[in-house]
Amino acid sequence: AQSVTQLGSHVSVSEGALVLLRCNYSSSVPPYLFWYVQYPNQGLQLLLKYTSAATLVKGINGFEAEFKKSETSFHLTKPSAHMSDAAEYFCAVIGGGSQGNLIFGKGTKLSVKP
Amino acid sequence: DVKVTQSSRYLVKRTGEKVFLECVQDMDHENMFWYRQDPGLGLRLIYFSYDVKMKEKGDIPEGYSVSREKKERFSLILESASTNQTSMYLCASSAPRRDNEQFFGPGTRLTVL
Repeated sequence: AQSVTQLGSHVSVSEGALVLLRCNYSSSVPPYLFWYVQYPNQGLQLLLKYTSAATLVKGINGFEAEFKKSETSFHLTKPSAHMSDAAEYFCAVIGGGSQGNLIFGKGTKLSVKP
Repeated sequence: DVKVTQSSRYLVKRTGEKVFLECVQDMDHENMFWYRQDPGLGLRLIYFSYDVKMKEKGDIPEGYSVSREKKERFSLILESASTNQTSMYLCASSAPRRDNEQFFGPGTRLTVL
């Protein structure tokens, strides 16, 4: 069965510092992986997705993630944090069904200190 | 601009009331989903639908039902609301390919007193 684990429910960084949000997955089939962001009082917005093309995926707002099959990881990074990056981030994997059900991690809340 | 809209941003209901949460998408998507979001638990799938009048149970369907009479509209129904259904409810839609992203509505924060 497919699952994702996000390490760290809260991450705090200083403005300008590297952002690293960790996601490990478990999948019995080649996975499709997603990162979503949720700003306060809003729905989820897609940051980027991995669908078995390039292993380094670039997304919106300067974020990128690298698919590492050997480590079953899909960590999200951004070289320099901005105050506007403060939000909750969710990693997700497509479930085993044929209709694209997403299985979400529990989320990581990112705080950015001035 | 693609859009998923939900009928209410905030809703307060009393225990035992029947509650309807409506979701409409304008992207002609076949798939629609209802999730609930709780702190520390992430998003959990309640029900989904891959076609008009079709529905499938997700991970936590107990206490909920759904209706999809038209392609663009997917309703979540709480037959008899209970306090443990106080939560944020998120609707999403997607095209049928497995690698397609889901587009989310803004959410409805439901409080059951």
